[in-house]
Amino acid sequence: DQQVKQNSPSLSVQEGRISILNCDYTNSMFDYFLWYKKYPAEGPTFLISISSIKDKNEDGRFTVFLNKSAKHLSLHIVPSQPGDSAVYFCAGESRGGADGLTFGKGTHLIIQP
Amino acid sequence: DTGVSQDPRHKITKRGQNVTFRCDPISEHNRLYWYRQTLGQGPEFLTYFQNEAQLEKSRLLSDRFSAERPKGSFSTLEIQRTEQGDSAMYLCASSQGGAIGRKLFFGSGTQLSVL
Repeated sequence: DQQVKQNSPSLSVQEGRISILNCDYTNSMFDYFLWYKKYPAEGPTFLISISSIKDKNEDGRFTVFLNKSAKHLSLHIVPSQPGDSAVYFCAGESRGGADGLTFGKGTHLIIQP
Repeated sequence: DTGVSQDPRHKITKRGQNVTFRCDPISEHNRLYWYRQTLGQGPEFLTYFQNEAQLEKSRLLSDRFSAERPKGSFSTLEIQRTEQGDSAMYLCASSQGGAIGRKLFFGSGTQLSVL
């Protein structure tokens, strides 16, 4: 039972354009969502988060949108830069957070020059 | 902020041997997590400590796995009688906990290969 789904294993975007990474979840108990970025041979690095009481959070080039009714969130990166090439993981956390984060399988973003 | 430190970075062992990994969290963080990641998957939760108390364990954590966090500082994860299916990246993470500390900070992981 996959509670967090990232249905695109990879995404290729031209440098300077917008990258949109999508994530769907099934667990209604999730009240906090996070995006992590991972380079090869490194641990995931926190990127941006959003509480379920909000529908948008912005931090520089990164914006996360949450649609609770559709159980869908997306990460927008604009403009995309070569250093953004990495694997991006979406994660959800339940109220209380005792089970830690539940991650999706990730989307490999490739920024082409 | 020196970050989360994990040792060793890589471990190669033969099936049936025991292995132990160490994690040093960010000093002011009272929560410590262990995750496992295999190729093509996201990190999977294994266990969680608040200070020295182990509060949650995943179904993934078989009896061959044991984790400790003495004195609420560093943590160790031991795998006994390793199997080839244990080959994975073992990630440690820490957080402050509470409403302001919900994001996890990850270490670089220990890559385990069981031959």
